[in-house]
Amino acid sequence: AQSVAQPEDQVNVAEGNPLTVKCTYSVSGNPYLFWYVQYPNRGLQFLLKYITGDNLVKGSYGFEAEFNKSQTSFHLKKPSALVSDSALYFCAVSSPGFQKLVFGTGTRLLVSP
Amino acid sequence: NAGVTQTPKFQVLKTGQSMTLQCAQDMNHEYMSWYRQDPGMGLRLIHYSVGAGITDQGEVPNGYNVSRSTTEDFPLRLLSAAPSQTSVYFCASSPNLGQGTSQPQHFGDGTRLSIL
Repeated sequence: AQSVAQPEDQVNVAEGNPLTVKCTYSVSGNPYLFWYVQYPNRGLQFLLKYITGDNLVKGSYGFEAEFNKSQTSFHLKKPSALVSDSALYFCAVSSPGFQKLVFGTGTRLLVSP
Repeated sequence: NAGVTQTPKFQVLKTGQSMTLQCAQDMNHEYMSWYRQDPGMGLRLIHYSVGAGITDQGEVPNGYNVSRSTTEDFPLRLLSAAPSQTSVYFCASSPNLGQGTSQPQHFGDGTRLSIL
């Protein structure tokens, strides 16, 4: 069965510092991995995905994520956090032929000025 | 460029009432899905559809029905509302290119449903 774990309910970081939001996954077969962001009272917005190829994936708003097959992880990173990055972040996983997307429980990112 | 449109945005129901949450997309996407979002539980899949006339159950289908008569619309029906169905409901769509769910999903802004 597919599953995703986001071990941190909340991540706090100061503006200008690097940020990391953690995600580990479990799938049968090759994973399709996604990060989404949710701002208050809005739907989820796609940030980036890993399907195949280069393990470092770059996405919207300066975010990137690194696929690590041996550690079954797909951590979201940004070199320099902005206050406007404060939001709820979701990791999600699927796989070829699996017609469902499984989400983690979400991590709230708070960036302080 | 509307994307995914959900109506209503807010709704309060009494236990036992029925209602339909509407979802429409204008991107000609084959894949559509319904999720509920509850605190601490992330998004859980209720039902999904890979094309008109085809629907299937997700993780938490009990108490909900869906149908897909057109590519554009994917309504979610609560047959007899219960307080446990108080939640925020999101509809999403994506292209279905025979590659499972490798395409990113586009989400509506949600329907906030309270059941008293």
